[in-house]
Amino acid sequence: AQSVSQHNHHVILSEAASLELGCNYSYGGTVNLFWYVQYPGQHLQLLLKYFSGDPLVKGIKGFEAEFIKSKFSFNLRKPSVQWSDTAEYFCAVRRTFGDGTTLTVKP
Amino acid sequence: ETGVTQTPRHLVMGMTNKKSLKCEQHLGHNAMYWYKQSAKKPLELMFVYNFKEQTENNSVPSRFSPECPNSSHLFLHLHTLQPEDSALYLCASSQEGGVIYNEQFFGPGTRLTVL
Repeated sequence: AQSVSQHNHHVILSEAASLELGCNYSYGGTVNLFWYVQYPGQHLQLLLKYFSGDPLVKGIKGFEAEFIKSKFSFNLRKPSVQWSDTAEYFCAVRRTFGDGTTLTVKP
Repeated sequence: ETGVTQTPRHLVMGMTNKKSLKCEQHLGHNAMYWYKQSAKKPLELMFVYNFKEQTENNSVPSRFSPECPNSSHLFLHLHTLQPEDSALYLCASSQEGGVIYNEQFFGPGTRLTVL
């Protein structure tokens, strides 16, 4: 069975700080990896995805994620966060989701 | 309407009631899903439909009964629910084919409260 683990449940940062959210998964087959974001009052939406090729993928709003196969990880990064990045972030492998990380960015 | 829509947005029901949640996708996708999102728990995949056929049922209690009359519409019929079924129910759709699990497009959800 697949499982996804997000290490940080709640992260609080100041604007301009760098962000890294951890995601580890257990799955032995072909991985389709996703990060979704849910802004306050909005739908869950795709931030970025990895299917194959370059393990460093870039998404919307300056986010990127790196797939490290040997570590079964797909961590999300952003060099400088903004107040508008306040949201809940979900890592997913295929259709299995992690339990989410709430990011609060203080202005 | 664009994307994935869900009605109603909020629903309060007693344990003996029967109600239905509706989802409609306007994206031309061939797969639709129901998820349950409870506080402090991961999204739980409940049902998957591909081309109107149910392809996954993740051990969901029979008090939840899905229906997919066509590729654009998905229902979740509810009866004799329990208070622990209170949650946000999300519908999603995607275009599936081959071995790739494509990105999903989510609706706004129905906030269900069971009294």
